[in-house]
Amino acid sequence: DQQVKQNSPSLSVQEGRISILNCDYTNSMFDYFLWYKKYPAEGPTFLISISSIKDKNEDGRFTVFLNKSAKHLSLHIVPSQPGDSAVYFCAASDTGGYQKVTFGTGTKLQVIP
Amino acid sequence: DSGVTQTPKHLITATGQRVTLRCSPRSGDLSVYWYQQSLDQGLQFLIQYYNGEERAKGNILERFSAQQFPDLHSELNLSSLELGDSALYFCASSVARVPHEQFFGPGTRLTVL
Repeated sequence: DQQVKQNSPSLSVQEGRISILNCDYTNSMFDYFLWYKKYPAEGPTFLISISSIKDKNEDGRFTVFLNKSAKHLSLHIVPSQPGDSAVYFCAASDTGGYQKVTFGTGTKLQVIP
Repeated sequence: DSGVTQTPKHLITATGQRVTLRCSPRSGDLSVYWYQQSLDQGLQFLIQYYNGEERAKGNILERFSAQQFPDLHSELNLSSLELGDSALYFCASSVARVPHEQFFGPGTRLTVL
């Protein structure tokens, strides 16, 4: 049972445009959400997070939006840069309960110069 | 560099064998997490330790075990290895007991022949 889903395995975007990566979850107990970025041959790197008490969190070019009623979150990257080309993982946790982190399968973003 | 170290980087072994993967967390981090990433799969959470105690368990097989030592380093033991155990194994660490931002090591690539 895949509780965190990233339905787009890949995404191509022109440099300078907006990249939107989507993530859906099914477990209503999740209350903390994270995005990680992974380059080949490296471990994932934390990018940005959001608590369920918020619907938006911004950090520079990166913004995460959370829609709790739809159980959906998205990561916006504006403007996209070639160095953003990587695999992006969405993750969710239930901080009050079991507390394990559940990761999605990832979306490979390619930013075309 | 995340500050999390994993050894070895690569490991090639045969079916039926046993191996030990080692992880040293960032200085000051009390939580250690183990993940498995198989080909084209997301990160599967295996197990979390906090300050020496098992904190949360994911999809960890009975053939696998882990522990966290008093100096906070952790070892993941994989026994009776099967071809399907070939994967990247990541260790991550965090300060807190709850799994917020985690810092990942570079991973150990295990190949079972």
